Amino acid sequence: GAGVSQTPSNKVTEKGKYVELRCDPISGHTALYWYRQSLGQGPEFLIYFQGTGAADDSGLPNDRFFAVRPEGSVSTLKIQRTERGDSAVYLCASSLSGKSTDTQYFGPGTRLTVL
Amino acid sequence: EDQVTQSPEALRLQEGESSSLNCSYTVSGLRGLFWYRQDPGKGPEFLFTLYSAGEEKEKERLKATLTKKESFLHITAPKPEDSATYLCAVQLGAGGTSYGKLTFGQGTILTVHP
Repeated sequence: GAGVSQTPSNKVTEKGKYVELRCDPISGHTALYWYRQSLGQGPEFLIYFQGTGAADDSGLPNDRFFAVRPEGSVSTLKIQRTERGDSAVYLCASSLSGKSTDTQYFGPGTRLTVL
Repeated sequence: EDQVTQSPEALRLQEGESSSLNCSYTVSGLRGLFWYRQDPGKGPEFLFTLYSAGEEKEKERLKATLTKKESFLHITAPKPEDSATYLCAVQLGAGGTSYGKLTFGQGTILTVHP
């Protein structure tokens, strides 16, 4: 009965570097979400996968951000040319099918710090 | 523009002192309203989902209610372990690509003193 897991738990990088953040959803969940949470704020939607495809990527702030889910399970959020403003906690959530009646279960997050 | 606003931003209670947290929303086509609890350094933990005005749900010392414009999270006789940030979020109706995502408020930081 493992929940959503995210690695690494913390990532410190320098401005301009490339980072990858990984999310392992609950087994059998077809829907996967990425959110970003800044200090003192609620999570902000980034992208939603249904299976292998991105069903809604309207929350990605710019083209430096990209996410994949090649086999419909594990997902990777990729950030190119990181900026100090990218520093935040990146949360991943999964749900059974993506329907509105499904609960989204969150992982512990990856805290990204860009120096 | 769809908005979710929580009040107060922070709330300090004495153990046993009941109170309520508010979540007001201005969205079109609400499909569901969600309450989560978040402890420091952890991801949000699901509490309740409400779908229609008049609906109520309870869990231990917590009770969530929903009207057409807002939701309340009532905390009865709180204990120090209820201290956390409480987040509400809305999910919009079908149509377009907004179906899956949650739009969160900024949260209410609850501190319960023994």
